[in-house]
Amino acid sequence: QVQLQESGPGLVKPSETLSLTCTVSGGSISSYYWSWIRQPPGKGLEWIGYIYYSGNTNYNPSLKSRVTISVDTSKNQFSLNLSSVTAADTAVYYCARRSIFTAYSYYYAMDVWGQGTTVTVSS
Amino acid sequence: DIQMTQSPSSLSASVGDRVTITCRASQTITSYLNWYQQKPGKAPKLLIYAASSLHSGVPSRFSGSGSGTDFTLTISSVQPEDLATYYCQQSYSISPYTFGQGTKLEIK
Repeated sequence: QVQLQESGPGLVKPSETLSLTCTVSGGSISSYYWSWIRQPPGKGLEWIGYIYYSGNTNYNPSLKSRVTISVDTSKNQFSLNLSSVTAADTAVYYCARRSIFTAYSYYYAMDVWGQGTTVTVSS
Repeated sequence: DIQMTQSPSSLSASVGDRVTITCRASQTITSYLNWYQQKPGKAPKLLIYAASSLHSGVPSRFSGSGSGTDFTLTISSVQPEDLATYYCQQSYSISPYTFGQGTKLEIK
């Protein structure tokens, strides 16, 4: 079955760029939307954005000015760049697959998740 | 943004109890409502999509209902392994997708 694995630095300095990669194994990155979601320590989930395998993106407006999500279909990977980070960006970052389900209509949900990677912003 | 509000924020239940968690949207989302379970230290798992459709492999003691702005997640007979935080999420508007603040279920 499809598995996702996040990778990247666990420590990033303030004002620098956070860069993470999600590797998709056990299936193709094609024909799906792929999301990034984060969870600050002890808090809830925040959707960051998603990318289609073709490169189309959609970002959370609250982060849009700092976020770039890209895809590399040849490597079955997609990536997150978050610029100008502060301590408020410290979180567990998850990648996830958004699937389409049919039940009277088309519905969207994130059905496969990576294990998450902790990123701390600190000097 | 569509705001999602869950209640209660936490609850404690005994094994075998029936538990209900509520999620309210700030505007209608028809049936574009998902429920996730997050066990301590783990990634969230999809339980229910389209408000009431059980995701593959999810035990039948979990069920969802509702439409419009008000939704519920019910566990018919709580088991020890149900210790987790439960989140609702709307997929009606992609700008942005939003989650509830979570409901932490403790087992007595």
